[in-house]
Amino acid sequence: GDSVTQMEGPVTLSEEAFLTINCTYTATGYPSLFWYVQYPGEGLQLLLKATKADDKGSNKGFEATYRKETTSFHLEKGSVQVSDSAVYFCALSDRAGGYQKVTFGTGTKLQVIP
Amino acid sequence: KAGVTQTPRYLIKTRGQQVTLSCSPISGHRSVSWYQQTPGQGLQFLFEYFSETQRNKGNFPGRFSGRQFSNSRSEMNVSTLELGDSALYLCASSLEAEGTGELFFGEGSRLTVL
Repeated sequence: GDSVTQMEGPVTLSEEAFLTINCTYTATGYPSLFWYVQYPGEGLQLLLKATKADDKGSNKGFEATYRKETTSFHLEKGSVQVSDSAVYFCALSDRAGGYQKVTFGTGTKLQVIP
Repeated sequence: KAGVTQTPRYLIKTRGQQVTLSCSPISGHRSVSWYQQTPGQGLQFLFEYFSETQRNKGNFPGRFSGRQFSNSRSEMNVSTLELGDSALYLCASSLEAEGTGELFFGEGSRLTVL
């Protein structure tokens, strides 16, 4: 079945540091890929997405490129801020049995210190 | 457009009791999914409903059940509560017609079992 593997956290960075959170996936079809973010005390919200190979999703300075050859969708940001402290979830959506099925990674907690 | 609304936001129950949580999806969204989030287990898929039918189910005991109404609103029920059921329960809706599987989450219902 489908699966998503993302790096263990927590990740602690100083403000303005470069961020990479690794995500790799296994899927039988041609999935869409997502990064969701969960700020403290809130539900998840979509950060960015990519629907086909070589697509780059971007939002709020975050970027991720859909790499089919390495089955990866790593999240990057050039300069993190304290406000980026949150839990980040990588996810895929694959059409199986005629409808979309979503699979989440375990989440990576990011803490940014001033 | 109003987002996904979950009620109640917070509740406290004792072992052996039962609880019902409610989720109102975004208008026009026909798919509703439920997730349990705990610090130890991360984000766990409970079930997904579409047009009043359970389409997909996670690996939870029969004490966890759900339903969806004709207006797409959904409820989940947990009977004979155990301490381990303490968690944040998240509901997500999606616009099936979009086809990418993007999920829109509510802020969750935080259940504490004493």
